[in-house]
Amino acid sequence: DGGITQSPKYLFRKEGQNVTLSCEQNLNHDAMYWYRQDPGQGLRLIYYSQIVNDFQKGDIAEGYSVSREKKESFPLTVTSAQKNPTAFYLCASTNPRTGNYEQYFGPGTRLTVT
Amino acid sequence: AQKVTQAQTEISVVEKEDVTLDCVYETRDTTYYLFWYKQPPSGELVFLIRRNSFDEQNEISGRYSWNFQKSTSSFNFTITASQVVDSAVYFCALSDLSGYSTLTFGKGTMLLVSP
Repeated sequence: DGGITQSPKYLFRKEGQNVTLSCEQNLNHDAMYWYRQDPGQGLRLIYYSQIVNDFQKGDIAEGYSVSREKKESFPLTVTSAQKNPTAFYLCASTNPRTGNYEQYFGPGTRLTVT
Repeated sequence: AQKVTQAQTEISVVEKEDVTLDCVYETRDTTYYLFWYKQPPSGELVFLIRRNSFDEQNEISGRYSWNFQKSTSSFNFTITASQVVDSAVYFCALSDLSGYSTLTFGKGTMLLVSP
């Protein structure tokens, strides 16, 4: 089945450690996105990428980094510089060239840093 | 800058009641898309509908209907005869139609449908 996978579903880390969240899609979508969701809040854009080896900062990029070496993969690293990393992280993708702009989401990764 | 406002933080209804979720948006663009997503307790966002700024016709899909009014910058979502399975957080979002097609989300409305 085509879709977006994120692993793991739950992730626990100690403060001061970097952690990488995985996002893979087999939808052949060009654009990929990372969002952060905090309780009672909407989704806030961290980073996005339209093509391989290209990515742009979103509204809350500080303390995060990404790479886009393959079309299917868009991993997010939460660095120790991120002051409040505990949150629910959602990855999404879309194919703007089709003229449809809806984004399709993965199941999310819940990160807890203590 | 774009902005989406969902003023209703939480709504509680009893099964079979009709419920309307409000969405008001701000944009300087003349061409844009509006979306509704559903987030069940599992966490994954499920796409419900896309509406472009050219088309103000209301849309109905089963028990779901959407009312887009450009004059008031609103895109409201109505669930008719609500069911317990409708319990979720619902997000309204706005796209700028640029090459990156980023979405601006509202803060969401939590809908609780009790039996």
